[in-house]
Amino acid sequence: GAVVSQHPSWVICKSGTSVKIECRSLDFQATTMFWYRQFPKQSLMLMATSNEGSKATYEQGVEKDKFLINHASLTLSTLTVTSAHPEDSSFYICSARPLEGGVLNQPQHFGDGTRLSIL
Amino acid sequence: AQSVTQLDSHVSVSEGTPVLLRCNYSSSYSPSLFWYVQHPNKGLQLLLKYTSAATLVKGINGFEAEFKKSETSFHLTKPSAHMSDAAEYFCVVSFYNQGGKLIFGQGTELSVKP
Repeated sequence: GAVVSQHPSWVICKSGTSVKIECRSLDFQATTMFWYRQFPKQSLMLMATSNEGSKATYEQGVEKDKFLINHASLTLSTLTVTSAHPEDSSFYICSARPLEGGVLNQPQHFGDGTRLSIL
Repeated sequence: AQSVTQLDSHVSVSEGTPVLLRCNYSSSYSPSLFWYVQHPNKGLQLLLKYTSAATLVKGINGFEAEFKKSETSFHLTKPSAHMSDAAEYFCVVSFYNQGGKLIFGQGTELSVKP
């Protein structure tokens, strides 16, 4: 149980295009999903917290107009990288926390990540 | 300030020998603690979690961790390493006063030699 599906797993696109990444909780509902960015050989950096039905909360230094987050249902959040440039190339990972239980007792479940390469 | 520190960036062991990955946290609040594993180009898989129940926590794949409040530590151990254990391991802390956001350690790369 507690499977999070992230799609696509790999995307290559030209500079200036926008890329949408989907994060779905397959067998549970999640009011809160999280988006992380990971550089090679580094830890995960939280970009934003996505709450179903409300605006996302962005971490300091993350451009909300560059990284658009939509959390339209209890099982789906999307991250759109707008007008992507080579410096946006990275590994993006989403996670979801089940609806049941407290914020501490329930661990986050992670997707398999999306490798984004901007040419 | 609340933080988590993984004391080793890289640990190398031989197959069949014990594994010890060290983690210390800093907080004036009682945290929830997790260990996650990440294989190359993959997301994170939960190994185990501590949420103020038993201080010795057993996880998947033979891993376990002990919460020691006096030492503010949550070290991960396994009696006998397997080749498939080679991966990146993250010690992660969650604090109630931060809405359950995860704070990640820097990661420890575990290598297992045959």
